[in-house]
Amino acid sequence: EIVLTQSPGTLSLSPGERATLSCRASQSLTSSYLAWYQQRPGQAPRLLIYGASSRATGIPDRFSGGGSGTDFTLTINRLEPEDSAMYYCQQYGSSPLTFGGGTKVEIK
Amino acid sequence: EVHLVESGGGLVQPGGSLRLSCAASGFTFSTYSMTWVRQAPGKGLEWISYISSGSTTIYYADSVKGRFAISRDNAGSSLFLQMDNLRAEDTAVYYCARGFSTSSVTPLLYWGQGSRVTVSS
Repeated sequence: EIVLTQSPGTLSLSPGERATLSCRASQSLTSSYLAWYQQRPGQAPRLLIYGASSRATGIPDRFSGGGSGTDFTLTINRLEPEDSAMYYCQQYGSSPLTFGGGTKVEIK
Repeated sequence: EVHLVESGGGLVQPGGSLRLSCAASGFTFSTYSMTWVRQAPGKGLEWISYISSGSTTIYYADSVKGRFAISRDNAGSSLFLQMDNLRAEDTAVYYCARGFSTSSVTPLLYWGQGSRVTVSS
């Protein structure tokens, strides 16, 4: 099983700042099959990034993903109040599919 | 527009059973693999089961293997999760989800609103 470790646990930033979230895999991911999801309280998760760096349809270009192998990042530029949420990474290249433990982004 | 609507959740005693359903619409259900993901109260996301479009490939998380069974009815555009021998740690919101593409290797683009399952005496 591929274990995904996300850091930090919580990020507290002001509007307009940049957030950098990390996701580290316990083994190299096949073909960068790494996705990022946003989950606001009381809502279902929303796909942001797939294939490590491709934005899903309708996702603002303030969101960007990068990395390969075992180290991946999600960057959120020009933070807005609506970005306050939990963010999860997921590997979908091998079973069992696994999620990271999540990073909470708080907007001050 | 793609819609996934879960139903069947509720309160059940430990050792009991529940069957969750997920009604799909807005796409050709029979061509997509489907997935169940759950989220315990205040916790993160946990993938629990996958079924291929033709039901030929099925996977389970170790935490539910032997107790849960995933199935689908392509004619009726529905996904199911039969949950037996339920435990307190199965308490969660259960989401059905569809992949981004018809490939078997795909992130989860569409999610239902979730069905709440509470296991308690």
